Amino acid sequence: QVLLQESGPGLVKPSQTLSLTCTVSGGSISSGNYYWIWIRQNQGKGLEWIGYISYSGNTYYNPSLKSRVTMSVDTSKNHFSLKLSSVTAADTAVYFCARENLNYQDSGGYYYRAFDMWGQGTVVTVSS
Amino acid sequence: DIQMTQSPSSLSASVGDRVTITCRASQTISSYLNWYQHKPGKAPKLLIYAASSLQSGVPSRFSGSGSGTDFSLTINNLQPEDFAAYFCQQNYSPPYTFGQGTKLEIK
Repeated sequence: QVLLQESGPGLVKPSQTLSLTCTVSGGSISSGNYYWIWIRQNQGKGLEWIGYISYSGNTYYNPSLKSRVTMSVDTSKNHFSLKLSSVTAADTAVYFCARENLNYQDSGGYYYRAFDMWGQGTVVTVSS
Repeated sequence: DIQMTQSPSSLSASVGDRVTITCRASQTISSYLNWYQHKPGKAPKLLIYAASSLQSGVPSRFSGSGSGTDFSLTINNLQPEDFAAYFCQQNYSPPYTFGQGTKLEIK
């Protein structure tokens, strides 16, 4: 059973950088056909997809956050990380990490993707 | 970005009831629509992928339908463990976006 667990500071000061790590257990982050995802949930905007990173380091970020987001992966530690710079109160949210499974296929042979494993989420508050 | 409009935002039902939650996309997304269940303090759980395919291990009382812009999640014979939040998600094109969620409560 693959488990994901977020970790990092629960309180970040405005203008500083939010840093979170997601540790994957029960499976290798280097397994093919998965992307590793960050998602956040706040009261105002609901769920927001932040972006993904592959085990080889390929990334895709939400354009709304792209200028402030950096994701990285450490296969030796079996974890991946999120950095969000220049945070404001609007970045206060529950941050989830997840695994995107690229392997789903229907009877017609079309491939689909879905977030099949999630962490429990970690609350990050931006406040001085 | 593709906007996902989910309704209702909350729903009260009783054990044994059948409920339906709908999700509408602002443009066609074919069948690139997933449904998730989320209980407070727990990891969200994938229920349905590709609009109508049941994730392994999910009870058959959950079903999904739709394609294009209109989708629905139906739960038959509600069980006590089904009272939770549900949300849809499109992965037709990034940035992937979510519905606002539906909170299913016990009547």
